[in-house]
Amino acid sequence: NAGVTQTPKFQVLKTGQSMTLQCAQDMNHNSMYWYRQDPGMGLRLIYYSASEGTTDKGEVPNGYNVSRLNKREFSLRLESAAPSQTSVYFCASSGRGYYEQYFGPGTRLTVT
Amino acid sequence: AQTVTQSQPEMSVQEAETVTLSCTYDTSESDYYLFWYKQPPSRQMILVIRQEAYKQQNATENRFSVNFQKAAKSFSLKISDSQLGDAAMYFCAYRSYGRKNDMRFGAGTRLTVKP
Repeated sequence: NAGVTQTPKFQVLKTGQSMTLQCAQDMNHNSMYWYRQDPGMGLRLIYYSASEGTTDKGEVPNGYNVSRLNKREFSLRLESAAPSQTSVYFCASSGRGYYEQYFGPGTRLTVT
Repeated sequence: AQTVTQSQPEMSVQEAETVTLSCTYDTSESDYYLFWYKQPPSRQMILVIRQEAYKQQNATENRFSVNFQKAAKSFSLKISDSQLGDAAMYFCAYRSYGRKNDMRFGAGTRLTVKP
């Protein structure tokens, strides 16, 4: 039982490049989330998906797109990376009770 | 929007002693959940403890306990018999009962454990 997995673990991009962060969970959870973590600011919600086929904006959605590919997978895409998107990105999921969220190991992204 | 404040950017404790991390939150809701997450250097976010606002009894998990003061909107974490492995960033989080997908995090407290 792997829980929540994310790929890649590290990535360096040049300004203007695009990339997709992948996330998968094997806990049969309905809800999935993407957060970014910046120093001194805790975690902030980028997008979430309450169920397969639905996505909604969180607190900081600008510059990002998401796809809920199926119940297991939820990807985050940066179409044109900017230095302000340098951050650690976490994927999370939660089950029917919506109590706690379970987190992946994170992706450290640097945009130069 | 709800806000979560952790006023202690850094704390330190001697091994085997007790430390309390502070958290306050701002909300107009009566039903919600509160959490403490631990983030060790590995970066993995680990749930430490959960408290439902409707429960008056403070949650405990082994050496970890909370002091939940609903009227004061305060949710502190007490770590007893501190161990070297407790060294980490600790995040307080608030989740609305009605808006289940909206979880708000504090900025975190970095805990150092001295041997």
